Amino acid sequence: EAGVTQSPTHLIKTRGQQVTLRCSPISGHTSVYWYQQALGLGLQFLLWYDEGEERNRGNFPPRFSGRQFPNYSSELNVNALELEDSALYLCASRPTGGWTEAFFGQGTRLTVV
Amino acid sequence: ILNVEQSPQSLHVQEGDSTNFTCSFPSSNFYALHWYRWETAKSPEALFVMTLNGDEKKKGRISATLNTKEGYSYLYIKGSQPEDSATYLCAAPSGAGGTSYGKLTFGQGTILTVHP
Repeated sequence: EAGVTQSPTHLIKTRGQQVTLRCSPISGHTSVYWYQQALGLGLQFLLWYDEGEERNRGNFPPRFSGRQFPNYSSELNVNALELEDSALYLCASRPTGGWTEAFFGQGTRLTVV
Repeated sequence: ILNVEQSPQSLHVQEGDSTNFTCSFPSSNFYALHWYRWETAKSPEALFVMTLNGDEKKKGRISATLNTKEGYSYLYIKGSQPEDSATYLCAAPSGAGGTSYGKLTFGQGTILTVHP
């Protein structure tokens, strides 16, 4: 069974540009989560989508947004990139509800120059 | 804001040593405690999800205990092997179910290096 897949794996963008990161969850998982790990920091919760709806978001500016498609895949969009957006962005999926574990992708490494 | 802390920050052990590290979390409003292993260049991998006080879980040479009354969990590795080298993360949901199932607050992790 395929795991959580993310694309691209690496990305270099210029400050002020916009970027879209993509995530395909494990088949049957309806919830998708996005986390950011900036240099020297732990994993920070960004967004949670379930059944196509945004269920919760972390303490990030509105420049960070996303969506979930009918097939439960998800996109994370970051507008007006800033240098401090350079980070590893991880996507995770899990079935809806309950305290079950999350399954993570390998991440997208974004570098803003 | 939920505060999840891990100690030590890093640990170097010799192959064959047993080791353990700690995750501390607020004991009030506890819902669940996750442990993940994150090897370099790989995805974080779930080890355990623990919900009940006194819970003990085991996966091969790795085990974990949970004390929700005092707000800590221990992760034990028996007979460490070089392939156990990884960052071990614990995480807790930031609130009750509903909108919080996936809003995990992670600790900073314990970096374990096992020397042959």
